Amino acid sequence: QQQVKQSPQSLIVQKGGIPIINCAYENTAFDYFPWYQQFPGKGPALLIAIRPDVSEKKEGRFTISFNKSAKQFSLHIMDSQPGDSATYFCAASWHTGKLIFGQGTTLQVKP
Amino acid sequence: ETGVTQSPTHLIKTRGQQVTLRCSSQSGHNTVSWYQQALGQGPQFIFQYYREEENGRGNFPPRFSGLQFPNYSSELNVNALELDDSALYLCASSLPPGPEGNEQFFGPGTRLTVL
Repeated sequence: QQQVKQSPQSLIVQKGGIPIINCAYENTAFDYFPWYQQFPGKGPALLIAIRPDVSEKKEGRFTISFNKSAKQFSLHIMDSQPGDSATYFCAASWHTGKLIFGQGTTLQVKP
Repeated sequence: ETGVTQSPTHLIKTRGQQVTLRCSSQSGHNTVSWYQQALGQGPQFIFQYYREEENGRGNFPPRFSGLQFPNYSSELNVNALELDDSALYLCASSLPPGPEGNEQFFGPGTRLTVL
């Protein structure tokens, strides 16, 4: 019940495309849903996060869509660039601050 | 503003040895969480420290222990190392546990290899 399931495992898009990464959760107590970007050999960097009282949040080229009834949320990257090639992790937490991470999606953006 | 720093960057140990990893939190943050990230996996929560006390623990054995110091820096200690302990160990700092404390900022990690 504490798992966060992420898909797809890997994704290849052309420059300018809109990759979409999906996550699903079971625990309805989760109240914070961040996305992290990780480059090889680096720690995860917080990209954008959403709370369940809103259905969408945009920050620059990154958008989170949140469907509370379906217990799903997704990350959209608009106008993707080769520099966006990285591994993306969704996560979920509640008041304890313990982050539960998905398995990760490796994104490759081709020039 | 100083980000989260970790030391050392890389470490090689042999099975059965003990290791200590260190973390300095981002300025203004008094809560530190530790995660283990195996190759190709998402980070797994080990434990969190707040006010120098353990504040939540994941599914890790007691040979994983930690400390937090008055300046909010933290150590992760692992005794009796096993081959499966080989991973990237990540430290994340945040504000106190609660709605604002959800936002966690990660350091670059320490790559531990156990031979």
